[in-house]
Amino acid sequence: QKEVEQNSGPLSVPEGAIASLNCTYSDRGSQSFFWYRQYSGKSPELIMFIYSNGDKEDGRFTAQLNKASQYVSLLIRDSQPSDSATYLCAVEDSWGKLQFGAGTQVVVTP
Amino acid sequence: NAGVMQNPRHLVRRRGQEARLRCSPMKGHSHVYWYRQLPEEGLKFMVYLQKENIIDESGMPKERFSAEFPKEGPSILRIQQVVRGDSAAYFCASSPPQGTSYEQYFGPGTRLTVT
Repeated sequence: QKEVEQNSGPLSVPEGAIASLNCTYSDRGSQSFFWYRQYSGKSPELIMFIYSNGDKEDGRFTAQLNKASQYVSLLIRDSQPSDSATYLCAVEDSWGKLQFGAGTQVVVTP
Repeated sequence: NAGVMQNPRHLVRRRGQEARLRCSPMKGHSHVYWYRQLPEEGLKFMVYLQKENIIDESGMPKERFSAEFPKEGPSILRIQQVVRGDSAAYFCASSPPQGTSYEQYFGPGTRLTVT
């Protein structure tokens, strides 16, 4: 079983709609959760982090965390073509290092 | 405030040669992490270092790979006797001292090609 699981996509989203990305993890001791955006050929860029259960909003992005269900999600509101990228879910494990999911490719269509 | 810096950005080596990848963390960051990303695959943790200490090298291949973060200067990831399978993007990330925040910020990466 992979430690961090994401749907690989591609997730096709009409421009202006909400993109919903999901991530599950296996390590119950994890305390810190991150979403990175990676454009093709570029390095990962941190866009959100969340440490507590519930929702955290930053601009058009909302991260949601449910530790009991071992589930973290990312919502992108008012999706733009510039949001087309691969989104990586990362979970800090009990030893302090990040475990990454394989990423979900998002394609925003005009 | 300069971000994480890596050099070279692109590196071509023939099989059997050595590759040296450098990483300078963000100002104020004392933790360095190295990751490898194979084409069409996810990021894989390799090693976690603090100044003069290897904290976790559980993701490093047992042979040919080594890493250091000296008291002065950048962190170095060294690959000896490279093989074609080492061709990948190698990313370095840094984070502040533990207990302040846990976010890791990535450098632009070094793309290693082994011919």
